[in-house]
Amino acid sequence: EIVMTQSPATLSVSPGERATLSCRASQNIYSSLAWYQQRPGQAPRLFIYAASTRATDVPARFSGSGSGTEFTLTISSLQSEDFAVYYCQQYRNWPPQYTFGQGTKLEIK
Amino acid sequence: QVLLVESGGGVVQPGTSLRLSCAASGFTFSSHALHWVRQSPGKGPDWVATISNDGNKKYFADSVKGRFTLSRDNSQNTLYLEMDSVTPADTALYFCVRDPGKVGAAYFDYWGQGTPVTVSS
Repeated sequence: EIVMTQSPATLSVSPGERATLSCRASQNIYSSLAWYQQRPGQAPRLFIYAASTRATDVPARFSGSGSGTEFTLTISSLQSEDFAVYYCQQYRNWPPQYTFGQGTKLEIK
Repeated sequence: QVLLVESGGGVVQPGTSLRLSCAASGFTFSSHALHWVRQSPGKGPDWVATISNDGNKKYFADSVKGRFTLSRDNSQNTLYLEMDSVTPADTALYFCVRDPGKVGAAYFDYWGQGTPVTVSS
């Protein structure tokens, strides 16, 4: 099983500032990585796929980078609606054995 | 717009069965693989199972293999998850999720709101 490890578990940032979230895979997943945002009481929503491609209607302040085992989600200038939990997920395995990270909670400082 | 609506969740006793359904609309149902993903309170999501667009290929997480069955009715735009021999470890919110492709080799692009399953005596 590919283990996904996210850091930090909680990130406190002020509105308008930059946030950087990390995700590490236990083995090479190339660019088969997605990021999801989950607000309280809601389903996860796809934000980034193929490590760096923004999903539909995702603001340009969100960017993904990385390949192999190290990945980053960057939010350039935090807005109030961005405070949520973010999960990374790998989809490299075949047959599928998709795995998620444990999440990073982005909270208002 | 893409809509996935789960139903069938509830409170059940250990060792019993439950069938979840997912009604889909807003896209060509038969062109997409579908998944079930579950999430326990305060935890990250966990992939449960995947079915290809034509229903011929099915994949399961090791934790549910042999207990859960997956099927789809492309004429009714509905996905099903049959859960047998449930245990308290199966307690979670179960999401129906769409794959952008036909075979389920990708990420999860649309999610339903989930149906809760509680396994307790």
